[in-house]
Amino acid sequence: SQQGEEDPQALSIQEGENATMNCSYKTSINNLQWYRQNSGRGLVHLILIRSNEREKHSGRLRVTLDTSKKSSSLLITASRAADTASYFCATGGRGATNKLIFGTGTLLAVQP
Amino acid sequence: GAVVSQHPSWVICKSGTSVKIECRSLDFQATTMFWYRQFPKQSLMLMATSNEGSKATYEQGVEKDKFLINHASLTLSTLTVTSAHPEDSSFYICSASLGDPRIGQFFGPGTRLTVL
Repeated sequence: SQQGEEDPQALSIQEGENATMNCSYKTSINNLQWYRQNSGRGLVHLILIRSNEREKHSGRLRVTLDTSKKSSSLLITASRAADTASYFCATGGRGATNKLIFGTGTLLAVQP
Repeated sequence: GAVVSQHPSWVICKSGTSVKIECRSLDFQATTMFWYRQFPKQSLMLMATSNEGSKATYEQGVEKDKFLINHASLTLSTLTVTSAHPEDSSFYICSASLGDPRIGQFFGPGTRLTVL
């Protein structure tokens, strides 16, 4: 399977703490994206990092990418209860199809 | 902008019937649309890639005669689950791409299919 792995599978933290999620993948990539999914809903695109980038920021989100280790991390700083959701990484390949391969996901619970 | 809708949002049907799910890009023309299925507490699995005016490309293990995809226009793709069985019960999500790999895909809200 080409599916990426994420860890931890589940993470529970207190409001105000930082949350770090990791993603590992298997194939060469064009980019890596992070998505958020609230229970039973569609996905929301959070951030995209290209294969030639090492770090990217967007608001309270910080993403790193290490292509030599085929891994990425998503850091959410100063978490809020509203950040409670599942977070998925997805890799975009080098082909022209733009198709994404999703990781297994991390279920984040932020306790108020 | 970049809103994708799905209809219906949920459907319950009897075993053996066929169910059609629509995916529409509301404010943009999508070069490509994708169909995923997601089982409870699991990740999204890509089923097929759909390009307007051409046959869909199915992922390995996905039966093309079971999951019929039609992409009649740049704003509409449909997935028909034929002769549905209880094991087809799942959350089906579509996404649309503008064709630029530097931009993320835009996802619909999903359709919950329950086959009795």
